[in-house]
Amino acid sequence: GNSVTQMEGPVTLSEEAFLTINCTYTATGYPSLFWYVQYPGEGLQLLLKATKADDKGSNKGFEATYRKETTSFHLEKGSVQVSDSAVYFCALSDYTSYGKLTFGQGTILTVHP
Amino acid sequence: NAGVTQTPKFQVLKTGQSMTLQCAQDMNHEYMSWYRQDPGMGLRLIHYSVGAGITDQGEVPNGYNVSRSTTEDFPLRLLSAAPSQTSVYFCASSSGSASGIYEQYFGPGTRLTVT
Repeated sequence: GNSVTQMEGPVTLSEEAFLTINCTYTATGYPSLFWYVQYPGEGLQLLLKATKADDKGSNKGFEATYRKETTSFHLEKGSVQVSDSAVYFCALSDYTSYGKLTFGQGTILTVHP
Repeated sequence: NAGVTQTPKFQVLKTGQSMTLQCAQDMNHEYMSWYRQDPGMGLRLIHYSVGAGITDQGEVPNGYNVSRSTTEDFPLRLLSAAPSQTSVYFCASSSGSASGIYEQYFGPGTRLTVT
């Protein structure tokens, strides 16, 4: 079956630091990959997505590249802000699952001024 | 558009009580899902629906029932609440896609505590 593994958290950074959150996956076929973000007290919002190998998703300064050879979709941001403090989830779906998502366990990011 | 709405926002139940978590979407999406979020475990799929009248089980369906009589609504019923069902519940919807790419939209969540 499908599975997603995220790096252990929590992650604590100073403002303007570089962020990487690792995500690897196991899936049959060719899944679509997603990063969702959950701000305190809120639901999940789609941050970015990639639908085929070598695609790069980007949004709000965050980027992730779909690497089929390493089955990875690592999230990066060059300079984090306090407002980026949130929980980040890596997820996948494939066309046979009608959009059902398989999630990683989530990574808590805290950014200090 | 309101998107995906969920009620109530918070709920406290006693063990053995039953209740229904409401979910509605106004985007005419075919696919709807219920997830629960527990610390350190991400979100896990409880039940999903690919259209009105069609539902199926997800990863953790025990103790929950669903039905889908309309495209808009997808209520989740707890039959006899247990402390293990203390969690945050999210409803999500997505539209079909010829490319097989489905973007899910999430509701704000219901925080449930079972004592």
